[in-house]
Amino acid sequence: GAVVSQHPSWVICKSGTSVKIECRSLDFQATTMFWYRQFPKQSLMLMATSNEGSKATYEQGVEKDKFLINHASLTLSTLTVTSAHPEDSSFYICSARNRGGGEQFFGPGTRLTVL
Amino acid sequence: ILNVEQSPQSLHVQEGDSTNFTCSFPSSNFYALHWYRWETAKSPEALFVMTLNGDEKKKGRISATLNTKEGYSYLYIKGSQPEDSATYLCARSGGSNYKLTFGKGTLLTVNP
Repeated sequence: GAVVSQHPSWVICKSGTSVKIECRSLDFQATTMFWYRQFPKQSLMLMATSNEGSKATYEQGVEKDKFLINHASLTLSTLTVTSAHPEDSSFYICSARNRGGGEQFFGPGTRLTVL
Repeated sequence: ILNVEQSPQSLHVQEGDSTNFTCSFPSSNFYALHWYRWETAKSPEALFVMTLNGDEKKKGRISATLNTKEGYSYLYIKGSQPEDSATYLCARSGGSNYKLTFGKGTLLTVNP
């Protein structure tokens, strides 16, 4: 099946710093990538949808200036958490969908801890 | 029902037991219902995608049914094995925008 990787798998940073998370589709071209986050004991919540070469569409309540998404190629999307604060500590997971649409393939996620 | 709800939250069974979980979802503007299996430190793995009322899908010992009119889906595991231990997620997509709304998952632990 289609493989999606994420890097890093976990990261600890100080409050006020920025953190970049990469999401790569390894064996297919991902025209659309999705970014989710999951707080403890909560469900995966969609943050934003990004289409290659265009601006991301953010869900209600997600600050686009804080969570910068770049989808510059068909195999790579990045999520940058700017000026991270402890309340941004969460599990971030991406998914990718190919040109034909349909199923989303997920990465293994990134655990972010902001001290 | 406004959200996707899954029950139970967690479940412990003995090896060889059969078990089932429930996913409830809004039936209006329904497009598809997805089941995923998610092991710790791995990527969620797609099990089934169902779109039509009455759909039944099967993969080995795992099967799922769908009722779009009343807004629920069941996932069944026959003869549970320790390797079935995982969190089972369901997600609903509405319309044709493929956005997934997830439930909180059911954590299954199969004891040898």
